[in-house]
Amino acid sequence: ETGVTQSPTHLIKTRGQQVTLRCSSQSGHNTVSWYQQALGQGPQFIFQYYREEENGRGNFPPRFSGLQFPNYSSELNVNALELDDSALYLCASSPGGGRGRTNTEAFFGQGTRLTVV
Amino acid sequence: GEDVEQSLFLSVREGDSSVINCTYTDSSSTYLYWYKQEPGAGLQLLTYIFSNMDMKQDQRLTVLLNKKDKHLSLRIADTQTGDSAIYFCAESPDNQGGKLIFGQGTELSVKP
Repeated sequence: ETGVTQSPTHLIKTRGQQVTLRCSSQSGHNTVSWYQQALGQGPQFIFQYYREEENGRGNFPPRFSGLQFPNYSSELNVNALELDDSALYLCASSPGGGRGRTNTEAFFGQGTRLTVV
Repeated sequence: GEDVEQSLFLSVREGDSSVINCTYTDSSSTYLYWYKQEPGAGLQLLTYIFSNMDMKQDQRLTVLLNKKDKHLSLRIADTQTGDSAIYFCAESPDNQGGKLIFGQGTELSVKP
């Protein structure tokens, strides 16, 4: 079991609403990455936060935004929800800002299952 | 471009070896990874290989890397029913700050 905790585990939202997902990072890790995993697909990189700054972004629209706090926990916010946003949202914490071998020390949380109706 | 490809399904008998294959596109990836995902769960890092290695063995797991062909494989020896899961390979291009690019996943079904 990893030290990465995501909340909530499941939620249902209506199209057009806004949602905030939370992730607490592993102790000693200063980097959090967020991924979207649609049903039957591999995870897709949304963005990464390193020491409270965005440190890379995937091909997602601006209505996907995030924050990282001084304790390195993180939030993913999605505005104007669309049906296609229904997915498992995974966060991963790692040391070192995503450089070098840091993914070898990354841990994933259990994910938040978001359903948009 | 970024593309990691895997076959979608593999079915084996308990006790047999399983081989899951993957091709990737970015030769700058210093590390290549295999993850396991059980139903309703997050991703578990199984193993990884440094790009200047051809092979890495870790108990029942053997990773083979053909860098020329950008081909990665994961062999699971003596496959057990508990190995039934979805397996993802992933690359992490060096110039993209730690972003992991995943394949679509191979669903491994182990029959008793």
